[in-house]
Amino acid sequence: GAVVSQHPSWVICKSGTSVKIECRSLDFQATTMFWYRQFPKQSLMLMATSNEGSKATYEQGVEKDKFLINHASLTLSTLTVTSAHPEDSSFYICSARSDRVNGYTFGSGTRLTVV
Amino acid sequence: GESVGLHLPTLSVQEGDNSIINCAYSNSASDYFIWYKQESGKGPQFIIDIRSNMDKRQGQRVTVLLNKTVKHLSLQIAATQPGDSAVYFCAENIGGSGAGSYQLTFGKGTKLSVIP
Repeated sequence: GAVVSQHPSWVICKSGTSVKIECRSLDFQATTMFWYRQFPKQSLMLMATSNEGSKATYEQGVEKDKFLINHASLTLSTLTVTSAHPEDSSFYICSARSDRVNGYTFGSGTRLTVV
Repeated sequence: GESVGLHLPTLSVQEGDNSIINCAYSNSASDYFIWYKQESGKGPQFIIDIRSNMDKRQGQRVTVLLNKTVKHLSLQIAATQPGDSAVYFCAENIGGSGAGSYQLTFGKGTKLSVIP
């Protein structure tokens, strides 16, 4: 079945540094990639939607200059948290959708801790 | 804006019993619904889906019921097992052809605990 590989699974970084999270679709082409953020004991909140080769569309309240999304190829999308602060600590999850693969395939998530 | 919500934040069931997890949605334009299972520290795992032209769909040990009249969705798990312990989310999609046509809106989640 469709698999999305998300790395790293966890990362600890210092305040002010940047962190890059990668999501790769291993056996299908991800036409659309979604990035979510999930705080403890809460639901998934959509941050942005990106289509291959296009600029990402960000949800209201999500700073596009802080959360940089790149979807340069049909198999790779990255989320970079720039100048991270402790309040950015969260669980980040990607989800890929393909016109050929029915449904949505989620990555395993990245636990980001900013200290 | 409109969002998907859940009635019960936590549910404890005895192993072997059936579980019912409920979800209320408010967007009448939603035409596709998915149930996900999320274990601690992992991404959501697809369980079952249903389109708005159906009112019931069955999988292995799971059944999803859709009542469009009252905008209610439920997930039934038969013979609940300890491995079913997780947080369950419903998600909806409004479809269409606009830029956000494939976006999913997630409910708040229900934590299912199975008592051995």
